[in-house]
Amino acid sequence: RKEVEQDPGPFNVPEGATVAFNCTYSNSASQSFFWYRQDCRKEPKLLMSVYSSGNEDGRFTAQLNRASQYISLLIRDSKLSDSATYLCVVNGDRGSTLGRLYFGRGTQLTVWP
Amino acid sequence: ETGVTQTPRHLVMGMTNKKSLKCEQHLGHNAMYWYKQSAKKPLELMFVYSLEERVENNSVPSRFSPECPNSSHLFLHLHTLQPEDSALYLCASSQEGVQPQHFGDGTRLSIL
Repeated sequence: RKEVEQDPGPFNVPEGATVAFNCTYSNSASQSFFWYRQDCRKEPKLLMSVYSSGNEDGRFTAQLNRASQYISLLIRDSKLSDSATYLCVVNGDRGSTLGRLYFGRGTQLTVWP
Repeated sequence: ETGVTQTPRHLVMGMTNKKSLKCEQHLGHNAMYWYKQSAKKPLELMFVYSLEERVENNSVPSRFSPECPNSSHLFLHLHTLQPEDSALYLCASSQEGVQPQHFGDGTRLSIL
C-alpha cells in the first residue's frame, strides 16, 4: 500500500474555475502535512502547510481530516500561473525528530485561458 | 534564488563512467537529503544525513555513494550506473525536527 495516494489527473480547467485535489495517507501517526507545487522540470516548492483546523492562504484552502486520513487542497479563481503538479506530502515519522517525508505522485493541473 | 544549489543541472554519462553530483545549502540547516524522481513516479528518498551522519539509506544500490563532508555540502558519487537510473536527482535540506524541506533545482541525469 502506498504511503500517500493522489488522483494523478490531469485536471484541465478554465481560468476563474474552482478546483479541488484530494489525497489520502496510510500512516495514522503522521504529524505534518503539506502541499508542494512542482512546475515542469523544476524542483518542488512548498505551497502551504496543512493544519488540523484547516487553513487558507489567499485563493488556496487546505483541509485535513485525521479520522479519514484525508487531505484536500481547494484553489479558487484559478490563474494560468496555477498550472503545475501539486504534490501531497506527509511526514511519516513516529516519534522521530527527523523529517522523513512521503510524497504522492502528484496531481497535474492545467488552467486554460 | 533557491537556498539550495545543485550542480551540474544536466549530466549525460555512459554506464562505465564515474561522476559526482554536488549539493550546497546556504540556509544553516543541519539535515540534508537525496531524492530520486523518475517519470510518473513519486519522489523516492534515497539518503538522509543529519549533523553529517548518514541516518537513512533506503535500500539504494551501492553504485550510488553519498558523502557529507560538512552540514552545508552533500555529494552523490555515481559509478557503473544503469539506464534505469536516468532520473531527476533532487537535494533538499531542513532543520532537524522542523519542516518543511527546501529543494535544490535538481540534476537531470541521463545514462546512455
